[in-house]
Amino acid sequence: DVKVTQSSRYLVKRTGEKVFLECVQDMDHENMFWYRQDPGLGLRLIYFSYDVKMKEKGDIPEGYSVSREKKERFSLILESASTNQTSMYLCASSTGGETQYFGPGTRLLVL
Amino acid sequence: QKEVEQDPGPLSVPEGAIVSLNCTYSNSAFQYFMWYRQYSRKGPELLMYTYSSGNKEDGRFTAQVDKSSKYISLFIRDSQPSDSATYLCAMSATKGTYKYIFGTGTRLKVLA
Repeated sequence: DVKVTQSSRYLVKRTGEKVFLECVQDMDHENMFWYRQDPGLGLRLIYFSYDVKMKEKGDIPEGYSVSREKKERFSLILESASTNQTSMYLCASSTGGETQYFGPGTRLLVL
Repeated sequence: QKEVEQDPGPLSVPEGAIVSLNCTYSNSAFQYFMWYRQYSRKGPELLMYTYSSGNKEDGRFTAQVDKSSKYISLFIRDSQPSDSATYLCAMSATKGTYKYIFGTGTRLKVLA
């Protein structure tokens, strides 16, 4: 079974803090994704990566950056957290672009 | 107009009922269709994956794609309280793409 894990289930941060969210997958997938999920808006793609050190912007990259130094690990960075970044963050991985496997999610609250 | 429309519900049904969940879409290029189940405060879990038109069955679940009507459905037979969750449809146009479009999800409650 594919396993995608995320470093935290719940996080509370203050406005202006730098926030790191980590994701690890154990199935040697080439592709990894970061989404945020908000009520009524569904899942929106922030960034994806198709190889180590390679990344592409998704639909809402503003205020976020990513890092992929190892194939199994994909990090999402909020450079200066703001209240409008309060959300559920979901990491996913895939191979061949057919189906995505999601992690359990990180609920981030920015005060 | 959103690329994918999905009724948010909530949809409440008695245990044992047949449930029909639906999504409509506007982009005729979509060829790959997925259904995910998401329990409260958890990540989405892949349920069904289909390519192009037709039906696919897996246990109590049947996925149906009608490309001519741009309409996909997920049927759940003999629904159980454990099926209570939010169901998300997703689709993509090309194999190997990185672009998946998700519906906003339908919340289902199966009453014991």
